[in-house]
Amino acid sequence: DTGVSQDPRHKITKRGQNVTFRCDPISEHNRLYWYRQTLGQGPEFLTYFQNEAQLEKSRLLSDRFSAERPKGSFSTLEIQRTEQGDSAMYLCASSLAAGPTDTQYFGPGTRLTVL
Amino acid sequence: QQPVQSPQAVILREGEDAVINCSSSKALYSVHWYRQKHGEAPVFLMILLKGGEQKGHEKISASFNEKKQQSSLYLTASQLSYSGTYFCGTEREDKLIFGTGTRLQVFP
Repeated sequence: DTGVSQDPRHKITKRGQNVTFRCDPISEHNRLYWYRQTLGQGPEFLTYFQNEAQLEKSRLLSDRFSAERPKGSFSTLEIQRTEQGDSAMYLCASSLAAGPTDTQYFGPGTRLTVL
Repeated sequence: QQPVQSPQAVILREGEDAVINCSSSKALYSVHWYRQKHGEAPVFLMILLKGGEQKGHEKISASFNEKKQQSSLYLTASQLSYSGTYFCGTEREDKLIFGTGTRLQVFP
C-alpha cells in the first residue's frame, strides 16, 4: 500500500486559467475527502465522496469548483477561472468508513499558486 | 466553529515535556490528533472515541474528557522529530473540523 497520492505536487497558473488536480486514495478506501489549507491554518473541508457519490459540499466550494470520483477510485478537483484567493494547499484524504472509526489518511497535497 | 487549541506555540529543549489542549464549544464525539511538518501532509497520530479514553503511541499520549468537551495531547521526553504543527480534529457529520493548531519546536 503506497498511501494517498496527489498530482501535481505544485501548480503555478495565471488568474483566469482552469486547473485540475488528481487524487489516488489508498486502495479499497471507500471515502475520499478534499480539504484546502492556507498558511498557518488547519485544513478546511471542501467536499467528500463515498464511493462515487458526492455526499457533501462545503459552502467554501463556489460554483467554480467541481469534484468528481467517476469510478469510485481516483478523484479530480477542478477550479475554473482561478483567482488569487484560490492560492492554497489542496489536500486529499481517504478512509475506510467502518463502524465508529474513520481515520483519514492524507496525501502530500497540491500547492496551487495563482499569479 | 472550529476547536480552539492552546498554546498556539511551544518551544522545547530535547527531553522536555509538553501538553497541548483542544477545546470545543460544541459536543465532541471523537477527537483525532495529527502532526504536520512544514510543507508536508498531516500525519495521523491517534483517535479517541470515548469520553475518558486515553491512548498512547511511544511517548505521545492523549486523553479525552467528553463532559468538558476537551482533549489533551501529552508529549513526554520530546525528540527533535516531534517538531511540527499539531492539530486536533473533531468529526462532524462525517467530516473533520480541524482545530486552530499548535506549533511545536524542539531544539537540541
